[in-house]
Amino acid sequence: QVQLQESGPGLVKPSGTLSLTCAVSGGSISSSNWWSWVRQPPGKGLEWIGEIYHSGSTNYNPSLKSRVTISVDKSKNQFSLKLSSVTAADTAVYYCARDLPYGSGSYYNAGFDYWGQGTLVTVSS
Amino acid sequence: EIVLTQSPATLSLSPGERATLSCRASQSVSSYLAWYQQKPGQAPRLLIYDASNRATGIPARFSGSGSGTDFTLTISSLEPEDFAVYYCQQRSNWPPSFTFGPGTKVDIK
Repeated sequence: QVQLQESGPGLVKPSGTLSLTCAVSGGSISSSNWWSWVRQPPGKGLEWIGEIYHSGSTNYNPSLKSRVTISVDKSKNQFSLKLSSVTAADTAVYYCARDLPYGSGSYYNAGFDYWGQGTLVTVSS
Repeated sequence: EIVLTQSPATLSLSPGERATLSCRASQSVSSYLAWYQQKPGQAPRLLIYDASNRATGIPARFSGSGSGTDFTLTISSLEPEDFAVYYCQQRSNWPPSFTFGPGTKVDIK
């Protein structure tokens, strides 16, 4: 059973950089899965931030691309998120998740089948 | 950018009733659509992927249908644990990205 666990500071100052790590257990980050970050502001909906493959290839949400960096550490079986120049609008529960590949022959990432429990990050001075 | 619209925003039903939730895309997404259930304080749970495939462990009362721009999630007979918020999500292949709908809340009538 794959398990994901987010960790990182719960409070970040405005204009600072939000940094989170997702530890993967029960499976290898070098499997044929992409790995994503998703966030949810309090009382609001879900927003995809970006994804990474174990090779280091990434895809980002165009609306956040200029501020986001996702990286992978295969030796520790984990991946990380950095979001720069944060404001109060970046206050949210941040989830890490595993992409579900689907298809025969050529496949696509069809959704997220495993999620971490989420971690609340508040941007405030 | 593809925009997803969900309706209704809130659905008030009683246990045992049938729930029909709609998700509409601003342009065709083929079958690249998934549905999630989220309860308060919990991470979302994948219910349906590729429009009509139930995820592992999802009860048969949940079903998905549709293709192109119009999709439906049906819960055939609501159980007490089904009262939650439901999100649809689409996958774009270029540029590769995911987008979620705003959600439908299913609450107890």
